[in-house]
Amino acid sequence: EADIYQTPRYLVIGTGKKITLECSQTMGHDKMYWYQQDPGMELHLIHYSYGVNSTEKGDLSSESTVSRIRTEHFPLTLESARPSHTSQYLCATGLYNEQFFGPGTRLTVL
Amino acid sequence: SQQGEEDPQALSIQEGENATMNCSYKTSINNLQWYRQNSGRGLVHLILIRSNEREKHSGRLRVTLDTSKKSSSLLITASRAADTASYFCATDKGDYKLSFGAGTTVTVRA
Repeated sequence: EADIYQTPRYLVIGTGKKITLECSQTMGHDKMYWYQQDPGMELHLIHYSYGVNSTEKGDLSSESTVSRIRTEHFPLTLESARPSHTSQYLCATGLYNEQFFGPGTRLTVL
Repeated sequence: SQQGEEDPQALSIQEGENATMNCSYKTSINNLQWYRQNSGRGLVHLILIRSNEREKHSGRLRVTLDTSKKSSSLLITASRAADTASYFCATDKGDYKLSFGAGTTVTVRA
């Protein structure tokens, strides 16, 4: 079954640690996205990719970085986590105009 | 930047009643989409309406679009407890990037 996977689902980490949030998909979609969402708030696009070796920054400035070496994999990395990075991070793929979302990673930085 | 704004922020209705929520946006769009998010989870695509369409139906969902007023509405008929969720409108300017509003939280009481 085609799907989108995000790991870990929950992460509590100390300030200054390097973290990587994983996103993988079996849908074969070229377009992939990372959103940041605070509780009860709108989603903000922080990174997107339209294919292998293509990454762009989104509308919301973020200290995170992404890579797209394989179609199915779009990891997000924070080199030095801070409390201001505490949020939910949602990964999505896109086919034509529609987007398909993973379950999200809830990150808490202490 | 936030393109869409939903109204109301929260809505509580009895099972079997209809739920209506509105979305306003600021710039010209290619299409407008509605997504549902259950608590703490990823978003699920509900329906897409193109800029040259005025109304669209899908099951118990009815979406309208008024491009002259830059607004859309989502009607859920005969609501069920399972419809309890947050509903987001998202606009697409034709570049495959979505701009989301802050959402309407719907609670359906049994």
